Amino acid sequence: QVQLVESGGSVVQPGWSLRLSCTASGFTFSSYVMHWLRQAPGKGLEWVAVMSPDGSHKYYTESVEGRFTISRDNSRNTLYLQMNSLRVEDTATYYCAREGIGPLHDYWGQGTVVTVS
Amino acid sequence: VVLTQTPLSSPVTLGQAASISCRSSQSLVHRDGNTYLSWLHQRPGQPPRLLIYKVSNRFSGVPDRFSGSGAGTYFTLRISRVEAEDVGVYYCTQASQFPWTFGQGTKVEIK
Repeated sequence: QVQLVESGGSVVQPGWSLRLSCTASGFTFSSYVMHWLRQAPGKGLEWVAVMSPDGSHKYYTESVEGRFTISRDNSRNTLYLQMNSLRVEDTATYYCAREGIGPLHDYWGQGTVVTVS
Repeated sequence: VVLTQTPLSSPVTLGQAASISCRSSQSLVHRDGNTYLSWLHQRPGQPPRLLIYKVSNRFSGVPDRFSGSGAGTYFTLRISRVEAEDVGVYYCTQASQFPWTFGQGTKVEIK
């Protein structure tokens, strides 16, 4: 079955960096577009970044452009999110998700918590 | 694209029906002819999970008491007979126009 497991969340200070990982199993990772999304405490969902299956295309939401970098290692079935210059407003649970039905997210990971304080 | 859900809170009686609306600021008909509007359910402390995709298609394992309808800019999720496991927050989301966006969420709770 499809599984997505995020890791790397932590408590950091403003301006610090952090790298999140999302390890996939149960499907051919290298064939799928993958996303990062986030949810601030008690708030709704926000799309963060997307990467094409071969890594050649990537896009970001405006608030993280220039600070966050999405990448993937298809040999390790892993998606990454490098987060630099973190801000208090980046505090959230970060989810990775697979794009599996057209451009819709069909499977989500359990999430990893990032606290910037 | 801004998605506006109503109501934001929905207290329901077990076994009764519930309905959530999602209105889009723009048409969600994609250039390929599909409408990429889906509904997610998030239980407390859990990640979101896909319920309905492309307006009216139930995702794998989703009970048939859940149904979706709509077109263009107005969409509805209906739960025919609410069960205790249906509590949580429901989100509509669109992928027809970049960037992906979500409604504010509707909290369903048992009266």
